[in-house]
Amino acid sequence: AQKVTQAQTEISVVEKEDVTLDCVYETRDTTYYLFWYKQPPSGELVFLIRRNSFDEQNEISGRYSWNFQKSTSSFNFTITASQVVDSAVYFCALMRKDSNYQLIWGAGTKLIIKP
Amino acid sequence: DTAVSQTPKYLVTQMGNDKSIKCEQNLGHDTMYWYKQDSKKFLKIMFSYNNKELIINETVPNRFSPKSPDKAHLNLHINSLELGDSAVYFCASSQVSGLATSGYTFGSGTRLTVV
Repeated sequence: AQKVTQAQTEISVVEKEDVTLDCVYETRDTTYYLFWYKQPPSGELVFLIRRNSFDEQNEISGRYSWNFQKSTSSFNFTITASQVVDSAVYFCALMRKDSNYQLIWGAGTKLIIKP
Repeated sequence: DTAVSQTPKYLVTQMGNDKSIKCEQNLGHDTMYWYKQDSKKFLKIMFSYNNKELIINETVPNRFSPKSPDKAHLNLHINSLELGDSAVYFCASSQVSGLATSGYTFGSGTRLTVV
């Protein structure tokens, strides 16, 4: 079965705290892609990162970092020193090469950053 | 220049009406998609076209009909609208080439409200 699980439905932290959003995926494919998207209150879907299955290097972009672990099928997202503008729904997604590159979405984690 | 533009942004209509949502991308991508996001933020693929050819057609009522006049456009026509069709509809595009994929670029969404 192909599946993406974001077990945290909602997370609430105080500004400046670090927060990690979990993403666990299931696939039998050897080639796949993992994504994170942000959906702020304004509603648009904003691409954050893409990771290929054959590239397990972690990535850092400013306050954002991603930890890809094939051994545990996880692709977790950490925001360091969170800010109110980080408040959004964050989606993890799996793209399967063997299924017309269809995206399989997690249910999303709503992140609330309190001032 | 907006990469993926969809119109209208908001659409309020009565049950039983027929309506269309238009989508255009200027990224030169070869694949376009329609997604539906329900009130719980769950994203579900509806259709996908690759170079004007339908490649994904999920279980969607046949009141929904996509039309792709060329690879830069994918419109969604909905007949006999029902209350349950109320949702946000996202258009997206992607470029897939061998093992590489750009991920999806999304339009800003169309909030459809059926009254």
